[in-house]
Amino acid sequence: DQQVKQNSPSLSVQEGRISILNCDYTNSMFDYFLWYKKYPAEGPTFLISISSIKDKNEDGRFTVFLNKSAKHLSLHIVPSQPGDSAVYFCAASGASGGSYIPTFGRGTSLIVHP
Amino acid sequence: ETGVTQTPRHLVMGMTNKKSLKCEQHLGHNAMYWYKQSAKKPLELMFVYSLEERVENNSVPSRFSPECPNSSHLFLHLHTLQPEDSALYLCASSQGTSRGAETQYFGPGTRLLVL
Repeated sequence: DQQVKQNSPSLSVQEGRISILNCDYTNSMFDYFLWYKKYPAEGPTFLISISSIKDKNEDGRFTVFLNKSAKHLSLHIVPSQPGDSAVYFCAASGASGGSYIPTFGRGTSLIVHP
Repeated sequence: ETGVTQTPRHLVMGMTNKKSLKCEQHLGHNAMYWYKQSAKKPLELMFVYSLEERVENNSVPSRFSPECPNSSHLFLHLHTLQPEDSALYLCASSQGTSRGAETQYFGPGTRLLVL
């Protein structure tokens, strides 16, 4: 049973437009959410995160929105650039036995066309 | 360069072989992780070590055996694997496991093919 779901395996966007990547979760104990970005032949790298006490966190072109009642978060990239083409993983964590160990989604492959 | 290195980067092995994957972190972190990434599946957590003690084992088959001799090194010993074990194996480290805000730093992964 997947606790973190990224239902869109891929997304194609034109350069300069907005990219919106979505993530849903089922575990109401999750209280911290992270996005990672992965290029081919590299490991995932941390991109941006948000605590459950917030509904928005912004870092440059990247903004994460959290809707706790819907158990949904999204990552907005504006404007999208070809270098943003990568796989984006959503992850969520909550205290379990005193440890925070994130659960990851399947990832969404973003392609930004020049 | 994330400060986490993995060797080898690619590995082909037969089902009767024994091999080991190595991970080293140069970040002074106290927690290390093994993940498995198969095509079209979520990143699957295999093992977590915090301060060299195993804190989580997600019911991984015994043909995978982790070893954490110190906080900077993590091994994954492989024996009698199956073709379905072919995947990308990722190592990660973090400062600890006690906060939700812990960011994980991943190595580049070992691409494993079991024939």
